[in-house]
Amino acid sequence: DAKTTQPTSMDCAEGRAANLPCNHSTISGNEYVYWYRQIHSQGPQYIIHGLKNNETNEMASLIITEDRKSSTLILPHATLRDTAVYYCIVRPLNFNKFYFGSGTKLNVKP
Amino acid sequence: NAGVTQTPKFRILKIGQSMTLQCTQDMNHNYMYWYRQDPGMGLKLIYYSVGAGITDKGEVPNGYNVSRSTTEDFPLRLELAAPSQTSVYFCASSYPTRQGLGTEAFFGQGTRLTVV
Repeated sequence: DAKTTQPTSMDCAEGRAANLPCNHSTISGNEYVYWYRQIHSQGPQYIIHGLKNNETNEMASLIITEDRKSSTLILPHATLRDTAVYYCIVRPLNFNKFYFGSGTKLNVKP
Repeated sequence: NAGVTQTPKFRILKIGQSMTLQCTQDMNHNYMYWYRQDPGMGLKLIYYSVGAGITDKGEVPNGYNVSRSTTEDFPLRLELAAPSQTSVYFCASSYPTRQGLGTEAFFGQGTRLTVV
């Protein structure tokens, strides 16, 4: 399974865009990139996923580089409620297992 | 839909005791998972199941057992509780992979277990 590398923590000012990077240099051609977040001690929450193209939904945008070796999750207008640990996960296509790394702790500050 | 429901929410066990963590989902998902999360760490996959009657080990299966007799339920069994099993346990479910599509996992709210 492809591994991911994320910064341990990041700060963002409330109302500004939060850009969370993820490196997945060993990703295979048929593996998707998923993003989840975990607010405090709650169960992880799905945010977005993509294969090759950039994706956008009501929560965030996902930008995947052309070589697919890295991606960026963008929260366009971060709020205090977006303070959480964000996990970047590469999922093997042949099986629906999700392996979580350590994630990035995003601190949104007033 | 209630989604993924875990019981109990909290439990304290003595060393050597046994217990079953319950997980049920009402979304008709084939795939179900059990994770544990130690303080300050990410989630580790314990066991998973691709359907009724089929289970397999994840990253950290030692000390646990699972069964999947129905699509809805995926209980996790601790036979001889040890302090190292103090953790928060999350159950999740998802649809199976479909060609050309990805699917997300839905998580329960967790069971906080302390072994003393």
